[in-house]
Amino acid sequence: AQSVSQHNHHVILSEAASLELGCNYSYGGTVNLFWYVQYPGQHLQLLLKYFSGDPLVKGIKGFEAEFIKSKFSFNLRKPSVQWSDTAEYFCAVVPGSSNTGKLIFGQGTTLQVKP
Amino acid sequence: GAGVSQSPSNKVTEKGKDVELRCDPISGHTALYWYRQSLGQGLEFLIYFQGNSAPDKSGLPSDRFSAERTGGSVSTLTIQRTQQEDSAVYLCASSPHSTSNYGYTFGSGTRLTVV
Repeated sequence: AQSVSQHNHHVILSEAASLELGCNYSYGGTVNLFWYVQYPGQHLQLLLKYFSGDPLVKGIKGFEAEFIKSKFSFNLRKPSVQWSDTAEYFCAVVPGSSNTGKLIFGQGTTLQVKP
Repeated sequence: GAGVSQSPSNKVTEKGKDVELRCDPISGHTALYWYRQSLGQGLEFLIYFQGNSAPDKSGLPSDRFSAERTGGSVSTLTIQRTQQEDSAVYLCASSPHSTSNYGYTFGSGTRLTVV
């Protein structure tokens, strides 16, 4: 079965530190990839997405992610985090052949940024 | 409406009682999804609607769970004879189509507590 693995469950950083959250998926075919963010007390929001083309995707709030097909990875990065980036981050995958659009989510990574 | 609306936002119920959770998707969105988010876990897929039909209900945990959608719009998730393990945040999301390119817009969820 398809699955998504986020290796870091809880990350604590100081402001201005660089961030990289790992995401690996298990599916051999074409995939569409997403990162969602859930700020405290708010609903899930789309951070960025990859469908095709340039494997380096830029999203909102200075986030970017790189799709590395050979590694089945879609890691999220930000050069310098802010206290306001404290949130839970979810990686998600949809097989490109899907006719339901059903997203398969990872377990989530809680990011705590210390001021 | 402007976003996906879920009600109630919080629900506390006694074990054994039935509950109904409501989702009002974005107008015109044909695809609707229910997910469950438990403490420390990722988002677990429950059911997918395309219009009023549910071609994928593979994530429903047991026959105590059911859902319907009427008029291609509002959906109701019903849990009968609730158990403590049903305590979770139930999230609804909608998308313009079921193809995988769009990503979802999520509601704020219903936090269900079974006591």
